[in-house]
Amino acid sequence: GAVVSQHPSWVICKSGTSVKIECRSLDFQATTMFWYRQFPKQSLMLMATSNEGSKATYEQGVEKDKFLINHASLTLSTLTVTSAHPEDSSFYICSANDGHSSTDTQYFGPGTRLTVL
Amino acid sequence: QQQVKQSPQSLIVQKGGISIINCAYENTAFDYFPWYQQFPGKGPALLIAIRPDVSEKKEGRFTISFNKSAKQFSLHIMDSQPGDSATYFCAANPSPPRDNYGQNFVFGPGTRLSVLP
Repeated sequence: GAVVSQHPSWVICKSGTSVKIECRSLDFQATTMFWYRQFPKQSLMLMATSNEGSKATYEQGVEKDKFLINHASLTLSTLTVTSAHPEDSSFYICSANDGHSSTDTQYFGPGTRLTVL
Repeated sequence: QQQVKQSPQSLIVQKGGISIINCAYENTAFDYFPWYQQFPGKGPALLIAIRPDVSEKKEGRFTISFNKSAKQFSLHIMDSQPGDSATYFCAANPSPPRDNYGQNFVFGPGTRLSVLP
């Protein structure tokens, strides 16, 4: 159980275009989802936290107009990188928890590799 | 105070040996300490986790040792195998949740483990 999927697993786009990444909890309802960015050989950098039906909370330094997050349902959150530029190239990972205090665990998706040309 | 320190940055172990990764924290409000394993190009996967009410937890070849007074915890991998070669992240969960959102973790910088055949 507790499987999180991401789509696409990799994407290549031209500079200036927008890219949408989907994160789905497959076998549980995710009250909270998190979006991370990871640079090569580095740790996970939290970008934003979202609750279903609410606006996302962005970490300091993360442009909310650049990285649009929509948590439309208890099983789906999307991250849209708007007007992507080469410096946005990175590995984006989502995670989710089911909101049960007894677990306190985040389950991660497999990640999406974004390359902006 | 929200940081989690992790060492070593990289570790090379012979097959069959013991791999030890250490983490330390400052915030006494942390009450959940998971370890994640990440293979290249993949999302992190929960390996094992511990709460401060126990000093040790063992699951197969993986053991967490927890020292509450020293605010330190470590991961021991017994009989290390080449398939264990990955990056390992320790994390700590602040409690109560920030802004009433779901549990969010503070991650260590990671340890790259290489197990030689």
